[in-house]
Amino acid sequence: EAGVTQFPSHSVIEKGQTVTLRCDPISGHDNLYWYRRVMGKEIKFLLHFVKESKQDESGMPNNRFLAERTGGTYSTLKVQPAELEDSGVYFCASSRGGITDTQYFGPGTRLTVL
Amino acid sequence: AQTVTQSQPEMSVQEAETVTLSCTYDTSESNYYLFWYKQPPSRQMILVIRQEAYKQQNATENRFSVNFQKAAKSFSLKISDSQLGDTAMYFCAYYNQGGKLIFGQGTELSVKP
Repeated sequence: EAGVTQFPSHSVIEKGQTVTLRCDPISGHDNLYWYRRVMGKEIKFLLHFVKESKQDESGMPNNRFLAERTGGTYSTLKVQPAELEDSGVYFCASSRGGITDTQYFGPGTRLTVL
Repeated sequence: AQTVTQSQPEMSVQEAETVTLSCTYDTSESNYYLFWYKQPPSRQMILVIRQEAYKQQNATENRFSVNFQKAAKSFSLKISDSQLGDTAMYFCAYYNQGGKLIFGQGTELSVKP
């Protein structure tokens, strides 16, 4: 079974540009989560999809961040326009069914905004 | 709001020895789950061990075991017979019925030969 995959692994952009991160969950996993770790700090929750619906987006920092999950499969997280403080590692995780199921993480996308 | 604290930013241990990573949390809920995740230098984060709060018995997975003290809100991870491959960042995480994980700051563990 393939794990959670994320693309790209690393992105370097200028302040004001747009970046789109992609996450492909484990096949059959209805729950998809986005998290972010800013340098040296704890990993923080951004949002949670159940299939194609946003279940909880309480962690999204501001309206420069837009997440979508087309057809309940892969998800994208777009940052537009990017700011310096958006730099960090963005993790995606997925779980099968019940919300108490174990979340499996992808390798993360390291975003650097210059 | 729930919080998770890992007070040891860095630790090191000699190969084959035992090390304990500490984690405390704060919550008013009675039913929840606790996890230890490991992120090796290659960056893929993997689950090490999971504990359900309603279970009194401490979880174990091979060389990894936890000391879960519910009243003290403490959840430490013990790694026995440490191996070089245990070198990683370790994250303690809390999980409630809301579905999101709340992480501690992480402990960077180095296993030395």
